[in-house]
Amino acid sequence: NAGVTQTPKFRVLKTGQSMTLLCAQDMNHEYMYWYRQDPGMGLRLIHYSVGEGTTAKGEVPDGYNVSRLKKQNFLLGLESAAPSQTSVYFCASSLPTSGRAGANVLTFGAGSRLTVL
Amino acid sequence: GENVEQHPSTLSVQEGDSAVIKCTYSDSASNYFPWYKQELGKRPQLIIDIRSNVGEKKDQRIAVTLNKTAKHFSLHITETQPEDSAVYFCAASIGGTASKLTFGTGTRLQVTL
Repeated sequence: NAGVTQTPKFRVLKTGQSMTLLCAQDMNHEYMYWYRQDPGMGLRLIHYSVGEGTTAKGEVPDGYNVSRLKKQNFLLGLESAAPSQTSVYFCASSLPTSGRAGANVLTFGAGSRLTVL
Repeated sequence: GENVEQHPSTLSVQEGDSAVIKCTYSDSASNYFPWYKQELGKRPQLIIDIRSNVGEKKDQRIAVTLNKTAKHFSLHITETQPEDSAVYFCAASIGGTASKLTFGTGTRLQVTL
């Protein structure tokens, strides 16, 4: 049971390049999220998904796109990378809000460190 | 939207002492307050959470208190140990759902021997 797996772990891009971060979870969670973590800023939500085929904007969505074609995968894309997108990106998943134990508890991946030069 | 402020940003305590981290939130509709711990180079992990219908919750050496009137909540760690050294994040959720979580900026706790 791997939990939440992110690939790649590290990536260096040049300004203007594109890339995709992949998140996969094997816990059958309905909800998935992409966060970015910057020094002194905490964790900020980029986009999230409440189910296969659905996505929604979070707090800082500009410059990113996402897709959830399969329940277990959530992709984060940068179409034209900018230095301001240098960050550590965390994927997370959770059960939906409900009376079930563990609802709303975020299970995070190990993180992906992206540097844009 | 929700705004969560967290203090202090850094905290150093001696092993065995207590540590307290405080957070305030802005939206009275928030009703779910988790705390996440992130060790150096690792992923954040939930350590304790509280809902607005409860004023205090304990789990061994950690406890969280909530004051809905003042809109603040605190994490208390007693008998600190070196393995408590980490960054701690508070968060608040409007409507109690994880998709509406707003995180604080984090507190770096250092437990010295």
